[in-house]
Parts: sequence; structure tokens; C-alpha cells
Amino acid sequence: DAKTTQPPSMDCAEGRAANLPCNHSTISGNEYVYWYRQIHSQGPQYIIHGLKNNETNEMASLIITEDRKSSTLILPHATLRDTAVYYCIVRVDGGATNKLIFGTGTLLAVQP
Amino acid sequence: ETGVTQSPTHLIKTRGQQVTLRCSSQSGHNTVSWYQQALGQGPQFIFQYYREEENGRGNFPPRFSGLQFPNYSSELNVNALELDDSALYLCASSLGQLNTGELFFGEGSRLTVL
Repeated sequence: DAKTTQPPSMDCAEGRAANLPCNHSTISGNEYVYWYRQIHSQGPQYIIHGLKNNETNEMASLIITEDRKSSTLILPHATLRDTAVYYCIVRVDGGATNKLIFGTGTLLAVQP
Repeated sequence: ETGVTQSPTHLIKTRGQQVTLRCSSQSGHNTVSWYQQALGQGPQFIFQYYREEENGRGNFPPRFSGLQFPNYSSELNVNALELDDSALYLCASSLGQLNTGELFFGEGSRLTVL
């Protein structure tokens, strides 16, 4: 089972920041937080990941709380093309496989 | 685009038949994993291949099998198809020795079993 909890859906106005929350209250000290998204009828796309510190790349920012029990993915200026299902996943890196356990994610609908 | 290509994109089979799905991994990636995604659900891990050997498997029966070739491309075979096998089948490639969660997915093969 997925170790994360996400709201099933969210709306965001085009051009505004989209803040997608994720709870992972049972996360272990060596587990990373990964975010993927899946645009309709396409394969999942890696967005960002982090362990403790906040991370930023060209797609998004990842804010992880100090206790690491929750995180927020931020899309700074959402566009219509950001409409997708966003998955938050926790996993240990460097293990036997690169297996990802997906939940049902958050459907983000960006409105014009 | 990720550089991971899958074929065919869509196919229809009947119960009891067998199917083979194919995947070409991103250049330089030596690990391939396969996922099944039923409608409205997140993808589920089927298995992973590294250097032509299966080195990890999810909760799928033996009629789901695979191969990886020396050029790192891969096949997923499903025997004795059941209606519940209708799903999007996703292939993902990565650099195996790192085993991080940063995977590169293809667009998938959508299988319909009638």
C-alpha cells in the first residue's frame, strides 16, 4: 500500500501557484519523497525528489516539513498543460530495486 | 519525451490469448521495469530487469513474464489473458546501479481483453 495521503482533487487558476499537499506521517529517516505527474493517457513524468531539505528545479519546488511528516509540491505559475494527476511517493533509494508504489494521487485541474 | 518507446500503443485480445509488449529503454539505461495501470488507479509494479535478469517482482502471477535483451530492450509477456488484465502497461528505464526512484516512463501500451 502507498504510504502517502493526498487529496483526490484540486483546482488552480491559470498563472497562480499550485500547492499540492502530501502527508507521509510514517516516513522513515532514510526514505525520500518523490513527486511524479501523469497527464491523461501518457506515462508518469518525474518532477522532483528530496530527503530533508527543500528542493527546486525548473519544473517545481518541494517543501518538506522539519518533522518530514508532510510535504508540498509547488508549481509556481500553473498553466493549462499542468493539468494532470500528481503522485507523491516515499521510498528508500539504493535498495534492491527502483520500485515505486503509487497511490491514487491528486487530480490538479488548472482553470483558465 | 523520455526516449523510452513502447509498442504497440493499443491492442485488443480475447480471454485465454497471449500477448507480448515491447519496450526500448532510454539510451544508456540498463534497467527496465514494468507497471500495470488499471483505469482510475495508480501504476502497480510488475517486475524489474537488470542485466537480463529479473531482480524484483510485485504481486503478479507467473503468467506475467518478461525478458531483457543485451541491448537493454525488454518484453512483457502475459499468458492466458483474463478480463482483469485490461490496463495500460507502462515500461520505465533507469540506471540500475543507482536504484533511485527517478524513472523514465514510456507512453504505455493499452491492452483491452474481451
